[in-house]
Amino acid sequence: EVQLVESGGGLVQPGGSLRLSCAASGFSFSSYSMNWIRQAPGKGLEWVAYIHSSSNFIYYAASVRGRFTISRDNAKNSLFLQMNSLRDEDTAVYHCARDHTYDVDYWGQGTLVTVSS
Amino acid sequence: QSALTQPPSASGSPGQSVTISCTGTSSDVGGYNYVSWFQQHPGKVPRLMIYEVTKRPSGVPDRFSGSKSGNTASLTVSGLQAEDEADYYCSSYGGNNNFLVFGGGTKLTVL
Repeated sequence: EVQLVESGGGLVQPGGSLRLSCAASGFSFSSYSMNWIRQAPGKGLEWVAYIHSSSNFIYYAASVRGRFTISRDNAKNSLFLQMNSLRDEDTAVYHCARDHTYDVDYWGQGTLVTVSS
Repeated sequence: QSALTQPPSASGSPGQSVTISCTGTSSDVGGYNYVSWFQQHPGKVPRLMIYEVTKRPSGVPDRFSGSKSGNTASLTVSGLQAEDEADYYCSSYGGNNNFLVFGGGTKLTVL
């Protein structure tokens, strides 16, 4: 069974940093590209970042480019999102999601990031 | 503002059919056959219902179907059932600079 479990969310002040993690199991993690997708409270879905299975290709949404960094450790079946210079509008539940060739097929339950003073 | 445009709401009675539209541009929906649809019940994670415009993942009822014409994709739910009441989101590949774009979501109500 595919499982994706996020951690690392919490309350942070504007301008602060957080590092999210996603532990993957139930599939060959190193064979799949991965995404981070967020959903602000009561709002829609927003794609944040993509990383190829080998980390050779990485893409970011314009809203986070230059502030967020996606990475992975295939030996540890783990995905990461380093978030710097956080803003109020980054408040959301952040999901890691397995790539399915330009869409996603499995989602984690998500971890809540709240940016507030 | 979301990159893809969906109607905020849609509704139908049990047994009826309802179609939800998703309008983009030639840089996303119209340019690639990589349109997906997700169903999200309150408090739950999204579930992939349609991928590559028309394909259904294993386990998705054949009451759900997808199509595309030009820059507009559509999701049709036939034989509406109470459990179909949920939010539906479309997404499309948008090229390397806008890898995955989502619609704003449509709340489907089964009357």
